[in-house]
Amino acid sequence: QSVLTQPPSASGTPGQRVTISCSGSSSNIGSNTVNWYQQLPGTAPKALIYSDSQRPSGVPDRFSGSKSGTSASLAISGLQSEDEADYYCAAWDDSLSGRVFGGGTKLTVL
Amino acid sequence: EVQLVESGGGLVHRGGSLRLSCVTSGFTFSGFWMNWVRQAPGKGLEWVANIKEDGSEMHYVDSVKGRFTISRDNAKNSLYLQMNSLRVEDTAVYYCVTSVGGPDYWGQGTLVTVSS
Repeated sequence: QSVLTQPPSASGTPGQRVTISCSGSSSNIGSNTVNWYQQLPGTAPKALIYSDSQRPSGVPDRFSGSKSGTSASLAISGLQSEDEADYYCAAWDDSLSGRVFGGGTKLTVL
Repeated sequence: EVQLVESGGGLVHRGGSLRLSCVTSGFTFSGFWMNWVRQAPGKGLEWVANIKEDGSEMHYVDSVKGRFTISRDNAKNSLYLQMNSLRVEDTAVYYCVTSVGGPDYWGQGTLVTVSS
């Protein structure tokens, strides 16, 4: 069971906006920044969002991150077929002195 | 360009040992914390360990404490993971990960398979 809680699946149609939630606690999301990763089938994870809402160079602005209290969200607007992937949230956990991940959300583009 | 290249994975029997390596380039290795993250087949991501810039501080996930040792050689821009007393549940792709200037960078991973 993962320390951070994500829905196991999400879906949307092309052009739609979808959000993926990530719920944690005061020792992780509540006191540290959140990162989001995209993992395409058979590949290594890729940084999508860091420091709650910052996009690395090259990541389209269709992807956005936000955080409030002990929860974070990833929003994908203008959904495209190539967005079909697994998405993970992560944060440092002060109690565990380690990084914790969500269980991942499999996004399907219908 | 930041590059992380892992090696050292393979097939090992339960109770055996392996040493993973991660050779890096494109950034000042000695200036950043380094991490190992693993992913069991068909499962999610799990952080394994990290090490401070100068190697003076390390942290481990509970399931590997006492069995795995993370280390680094700043002169060689390299990160290591010594894995002893391997268990079947340690079977996973192991990734070398670092945060340089904000976002994480990941290697391509190396597969460790522990047979029973």
